[in-house]
Amino acid sequence: EAGVAQSPRYKIIEKRQSVAFWCNPISGHATLYWYQQILGQGPKLLIQFQNNGVVDDSQLPKDRFSAERLKGVDSTLKIQPAKLEDSAVYLCASSPGATWNTGELFFGEGSRLTVL
Amino acid sequence: GNSVTQMEGPVTLSEEAFLTINCTYTATGYPSLFWYVQYPGEGLQLLLKATKADDKGSNKGFEATYRKETTSFHLEKGSVQVSDSAVYFCALIIQGAQKLVFGQGTRLTINP
Repeated sequence: EAGVAQSPRYKIIEKRQSVAFWCNPISGHATLYWYQQILGQGPKLLIQFQNNGVVDDSQLPKDRFSAERLKGVDSTLKIQPAKLEDSAVYLCASSPGATWNTGELFFGEGSRLTVL
Repeated sequence: GNSVTQMEGPVTLSEEAFLTINCTYTATGYPSLFWYVQYPGEGLQLLLKATKADDKGSNKGFEATYRKETTSFHLEKGSVQVSDSAVYFCALIIQGAQKLVFGQGTRLTINP
């Protein structure tokens, strides 16, 4: 079974530029998550989708971050304009359904962003 | 709010040593508790879990017991191997909620 696919693996941009990350979850997984992991910290949830609807985006900086999950399958996370503090690894994860009864998320390898 | 605190890293041990990584939590409801592991070059993966007080989760020789009285979920292994070198994350989720909350992670290095 294929895992969660993310691209690009690495991206270096100047501040105020824009960047987009792509995620393809495990086939059949209804729930998709984007986490931000800053160096030395644990992952922080940015946004959660159930199929193509948003369940939780309370910690997404909506003035510069946006995400979509068209057709309830793959997803794109965009940052525009980027700031220095956005340097982090962006993790995509998926799960078959509701998280709370299993707690098991399947993570991709992440996309490392460096903002100069 | 809900949060997880792990012991500061990095932790360096010799092969076959005993391992403990401390984890304590604060939760407004009744959490389920988890340990995730991130091996070099790989994505995070679930190591073990416990869903109620006094439950013990175990996998790959690792164990953790859900202690409600001390709000803890310490990870232990009796004899570590070089292949256990990784970053370990403690996490919780509140029953009925959908957000997994992570600790800051503890980097473990095992020397041969």
